[in-house]
Amino acid sequence: KNQVEQSPQSLIILEGKNCTLQCNYTVSPFSNLRWYKQDTGRGPVSLTIMTFSENTKSNGRYTATLDADTKQSSLHITASQLSDSASYICVVSAKVDSSYKLIFGSGTRLLVRP
Amino acid sequence: DAGVTQSPTHLIKTRGQQVTLRCSPKSGHDTVSWYQQALGQGPQFIFQYYEEEERQRGNFPDRFSGHQFPNYSSELNVNALLLGDSALYLCASSRDRGDYGYTFGSGTRLTVV
Repeated sequence: KNQVEQSPQSLIILEGKNCTLQCNYTVSPFSNLRWYKQDTGRGPVSLTIMTFSENTKSNGRYTATLDADTKQSSLHITASQLSDSASYICVVSAKVDSSYKLIFGSGTRLLVRP
Repeated sequence: DAGVTQSPTHLIKTRGQQVTLRCSPKSGHDTVSWYQQALGQGPQFIFQYYEEEERQRGNFPDRFSGHQFPNYSSELNVNALLLGDSALYLCASSRDRGDYGYTFGSGTRLTVV
């Protein structure tokens, strides 16, 4: 069964601190892995997309890693800001026939406090 | 260049009623996917439309139906609303059923009372 599991479910950190969010997946056939940021009541916005051959990808203060052997990914946020408070969703794309299916994790809710 | 546009942004309906949500895809996109996101959960795939036909469907009852128009815009219809249908409904668009450039709208918040 295709699944994406994220940890922790929620996280509270102080402004300026770093944090790392985890994602484990069992999805086949794997196409790519994405991290999305979702503000409350808004649609998800893509942060990074990584294919099988990519180990790391950065987008400003966000750095994602991918270990395709262990089927694990992480999202590291550096020097957190209050605006980083949001849900972070790990999504794995699987190729199905001539289309793709996105499998979503439940997300990690991050709260950055002053 | 407009992104994905959804309407309305918020909606309150009574149990048993019917609702229609609308989505205009990003310019250049021809594939529309719909998701339901309950509070505190990840989005759950409802169905995908391409070339005016439903191409994929998630585990949702027949009360959930859709349509895609020749201009690629799409509607999601939900009949006989239940309290449990209260959620954020997200539309995402892409091109040629691919996942490159997959873009989400801001969603429609549906509350069933």
